[in-house]
Amino acid sequence: QKEVEQNSGPLSVPEGAIASLNCTYSDRGSQSFFWYRQYSGKSPELIMFIYSNGDKEDGRFTAQLNKASQYVSLLIRDSQPSDSATYLCAVNMWKDSSYKLIFGSGTRLLVRP
Amino acid sequence: EAQVTQNPRYLITVTGKKLTVTCSQNMNHEYMSWYRQDPGLGLRQIYYSMNVEVTDKGDVPEGYKVSRKEKRNFPLILESPSPNQTSLYFCASSFGGLNTGELFFGEGSRLTVL
Repeated sequence: QKEVEQNSGPLSVPEGAIASLNCTYSDRGSQSFFWYRQYSGKSPELIMFIYSNGDKEDGRFTAQLNKASQYVSLLIRDSQPSDSATYLCAVNMWKDSSYKLIFGSGTRLLVRP
Repeated sequence: EAQVTQNPRYLITVTGKKLTVTCSQNMNHEYMSWYRQDPGLGLRQIYYSMNVEVTDKGDVPEGYKVSRKEKRNFPLILESPSPNQTSLYFCASSFGGLNTGELFFGEGSRLTVL
């Protein structure tokens, strides 16, 4: 089982729809969770982080965390073509005697005009 | 402007020829890290540094060296590059501690080893 797992996609949604991106993780003790956006040929940029169970909203983005199910998701409301990118989930987990930030391999999102 | 600067951005080299990729940040960040990104494998951590003179291995450290003599700089050294080190490399930094995962990334260095 991968430590951080994401569906590679592509996830295709029409403009204006809600895009739902999902991520599962293996370490039950993980405490902090991050979503990065990476445009093709560019570096990742942090768009959301969440540390507590529940929802966290920032503009059109909502991060949802369910530690019992070891599941974190990112919702993008009113999706725009400019949201087309790869979204990386990252989890801070205890590994090899220290905390390490482990990235999933990313979900490619395509927003159709 | 707050940034992480990597050089070179693109490099083609030959097997065995030592090279260094520099990384510098101007945000007074404690934590710095190097990642490589390969298709289908995502971002994998090579080395990281919690503070000056403190470095530790990530998931894929073989064939790489790092040093952290100053807070702002964290160079990645390939002593004897091999073709399997052809990859896209990212340097990243953060304040560390509870904020370790809030990373700022450099623009990336695309390395080809022939």
